[in-house]
Amino acid sequence: AQSVTQLGSHVSVSEGALVLLRCNYSSSVPPYLFWYVQYPNQGLQLLLKYTSAATLVKGINGFEAEFKKSETSFHLTKPSAHMSDAAEYFCAVSGSTGNQFYFGTGTSLTVIP
Amino acid sequence: DAGVIQSPRHEVTEMGQEVTLRCKPISGHNSLFWYRQTMMRGLELLIYFNNNVPIDDSGMPEDRFSAKMPNASFSTLKIQPSEPRDSAVYFCASSSLAGGRRETQYFGPGTRLLVL
Repeated sequence: AQSVTQLGSHVSVSEGALVLLRCNYSSSVPPYLFWYVQYPNQGLQLLLKYTSAATLVKGINGFEAEFKKSETSFHLTKPSAHMSDAAEYFCAVSGSTGNQFYFGTGTSLTVIP
Repeated sequence: DAGVIQSPRHEVTEMGQEVTLRCKPISGHNSLFWYRQTMMRGLELLIYFNNNVPIDDSGMPEDRFSAKMPNASFSTLKIQPSEPRDSAVYFCASSSLAGGRRETQYFGPGTRLLVL
């Protein structure tokens, strides 16, 4: 069965501090993993994705994520938070057979000036 | 590319009325997904189509909800009759089937529905 768990529904960081958003997955097949960002009153936008190439994936806006099979994790990081990073972040894993996604419950990131 | 287009962006209606949400996927994409987002339940997949054929509608809450995809460039999600608990943001997303499970889904801006 496919699923993702996002630990921490709310994360607050100071501007300039490290951002770490956690995602653990469960997959019956080699997983393909995605991070999306949702700004207020907007749709979801792809940040980055892992499709079994490099385990360290770089995305837009300075974000990156590392696929760790041994830990079944795909945590999202950014070295220095900006005010503009305040948003909702979703982790997703693709289905085992079909092309549907299984989304996590989301993490709301607040950046404190 | 214009991206995924949804209309209307906002809809306010009264309980019992029929509501129709519309979606135009990205040209060339052959998968289309309807999602619902609420504070209580988060992001839920309602139904998805591959090549205009419904593949999985297990997320459709009840018979009041129906979805169609008459051609590759248009889909509708209909609620009849609408109820206050249907108030939510409804997203449409599209992707290509070419890369299978690794393909990105591209989301529209959503339709914010309020049922009074």
